[in-house]
Amino acid sequence: GAGVSQSPSNKVTEKGKDVELRCDPISGHTALYWYRQSLGQGLEFLIYFQGNSAPDKSGLPSDRFSAERTGGSVSTLTIQRTQQEDSAVYLCASSSTRAEGNTIYFGEGSWLTVV
Amino acid sequence: AQTVTQSQPEMSVQEAETVTLSCTYDTSENNYYLFWYKQPPSRQMILVIRQEAYKQQNATENRFSVNFQKAAKSFSLKISDSQLGDTAMYFCAFINSNSGYALNFGKGTSLLVTP
Repeated sequence: GAGVSQSPSNKVTEKGKDVELRCDPISGHTALYWYRQSLGQGLEFLIYFQGNSAPDKSGLPSDRFSAERTGGSVSTLTIQRTQQEDSAVYLCASSSTRAEGNTIYFGEGSWLTVV
Repeated sequence: AQTVTQSQPEMSVQEAETVTLSCTYDTSENNYYLFWYKQPPSRQMILVIRQEAYKQQNATENRFSVNFQKAAKSFSLKISDSQLGDTAMYFCAFINSNSGYALNFGKGTSLLVTP
């Protein structure tokens, strides 16, 4: 696609429910990133994929969070048993190779509200 | 730890005036990239400008320019001839060339351009 696409744009869920957030990166981009942006805060790195592999999952805040990427393209971030502190904007980004030499392009984010 | 500090949570500037946003960072690496991203209310993170640490010349993109002081680890953004559409959150970020793949972000500066 022309840009990084994320769905849903907005999601309201009840505490304790599971949610899935989807990211469709720019076609051909091998690197994919998930960030979390809480209200009034900067961006918190969650996980990085190179192809289908996730070399670094250290940013995932707890074992309720998981992510996968299939076919070197679409990625899904899953939050199990959601808590109110999970409320945030979840931003996905992609780049053509490792980010240090290339621009990272962001999607518009998925705004998650846990009530 | 690698950190990015934006000391101005909020700033305001009149249309057509010039404003400078501050950013300092901390890294033990010598080779890295620095970025300024803009996030308007739409939530889309848009790259404004990029600077390679090995380049002495300050990057410029139209009305946007940076003052990169490597020894001081300072990377400020200057917006000339401010426009109403420049109203947004501005995030400073960096990534290490050799060991990094995830951008480290500051907490952002909220810029309001007034008529």
